Amino acid sequence: NAGVTQTPKFQVLKTGQSMTLQCAQDMNHEYMSWYRQDPGMGLRLIHYSVGAGITDQGEVPNGYNVSRSTTEDFPLRLLSAAPSQTSVYFCASRDRGYDTEAFFGQGTRLTVV
Amino acid sequence: KNQVEQSPQSLIILEGKNCTLQCNYTVSPFSNLRWYKQDTGRGPVSLTIMTFSENTKSNGRYTATLDADTKQSSLHITASQLSDSASYICVVSGSGTALIFGKGTTLSVSS
Repeated sequence: NAGVTQTPKFQVLKTGQSMTLQCAQDMNHEYMSWYRQDPGMGLRLIHYSVGAGITDQGEVPNGYNVSRSTTEDFPLRLLSAAPSQTSVYFCASRDRGYDTEAFFGQGTRLTVV
Repeated sequence: KNQVEQSPQSLIILEGKNCTLQCNYTVSPFSNLRWYKQDTGRGPVSLTIMTFSENTKSNGRYTATLDADTKQSSLHITASQLSDSASYICVVSGSGTALIFGKGTTLSVSS
């Protein structure tokens, strides 16, 4: 049981490049989310999904796109990378319900130069 | 505005000592409060989840308390170990699916 798997672990992009951060979970969780973590700040929600085919914006969605074609996968796309998107990105999943435990991936450290 | 405030921002203690971390929140309506441990370079890992009706919850040497009336929570670590060095994050869930994160308390345990 791998839990939540994120790839890549590290990435360096040039300004204007696009890329996709991958997230996969094998726990059949309905809820999946993407967060970014910046120094001195709490995790901030970028986008989330409550099931396959359903996505919605979080607190800081600008510059990012998501899709949820399967229960297992929730990729995050950076359309045109900017230095302000330099951050550590975490994917999380949890089962339906208010009190269910959230499981996080190991994170992707992204640097945009 | 829904907010989660944690104190202190950082803390240094000697191995074997106890410590208490604080969390105040203004999230309404309130569903549950979670404490996570995040080791450097890793994702957060859940320690406890407490609902409105729970006052205390333990997970080994970690004990979390919740006062829903004053909207305060604490995480007490007993007999600290070097492996307790990490960031501890308080997270509150309100209505819907969103989790609201505090900025965390960075704990350093020295020998």
